[in-house]
Amino acid sequence: ETGVTQTPRHLVMGMTNKKSLKCEQHLGHNAMYWYKQSAKKPLELMFVYNFKEQTENNSVPSRFSPECPNSSHLFLHLHTLQPEDSALYLCASSQRQGIEAFFGQGTRLTVV
Amino acid sequence: TQLLEQSPQFLSIQEGENLTVYCNSSSVFSSLQWYRQEPGEGPVLLVTVVTGGEVKKLKRLTFQFGDARKDSSLHITAAQPGDTGLYLCAGGEYAGKSTFGDGTTLTVKP
Repeated sequence: ETGVTQTPRHLVMGMTNKKSLKCEQHLGHNAMYWYKQSAKKPLELMFVYNFKEQTENNSVPSRFSPECPNSSHLFLHLHTLQPEDSALYLCASSQRQGIEAFFGQGTRLTVV
Repeated sequence: TQLLEQSPQFLSIQEGENLTVYCNSSSVFSSLQWYRQEPGEGPVLLVTVVTGGEVKKLKRLTFQFGDARKDSSLHITAAQPGDTGLYLCAGGEYAGKSTFGDGTTLTVKP
């Protein structure tokens, strides 16, 4: 099994749809993250979870709702998105307070 | 906010050439990470540099951390098409507080 797995790899959704992105890590880490990667922009950290508790929310709109049921799984629930939300969404994990992040392959999201 | 600037933004070279890309900041970092990202994939960690002046080698890739821990460079010797990708540097107190640079997009032509 790969270290960090994201599903689906590709997602096309309408602005009125509700969908969820899933991330699972098999590295025994206790911190998980959601990042957004848009064209011509640096990676943007969206949410940070340590031991299932959300510790960072970097001014992310409420149409993005994270969920972390345990240290191995992370979800990003999406609803009423805008076309400008189209991007590559990356999940990562690390040891708590660790300096190295391990990324999943990402979900390419297109909002139409 | 600690900012990281990477240069050049784009680099296109022929197979066999050498190249250097840079990651600069006005801030001091306790460590810097380098990642490579291929199209449609997530970033893959290449190396972490921690000590000022540190040099690390990974096959044909040489990473250096500046003496003042404000900058880093990545040198590739005899580049190959498989080196093509987006090279990202990142730094911060820990992963949840890391800043990423804009990246250098490298294309190595056969």
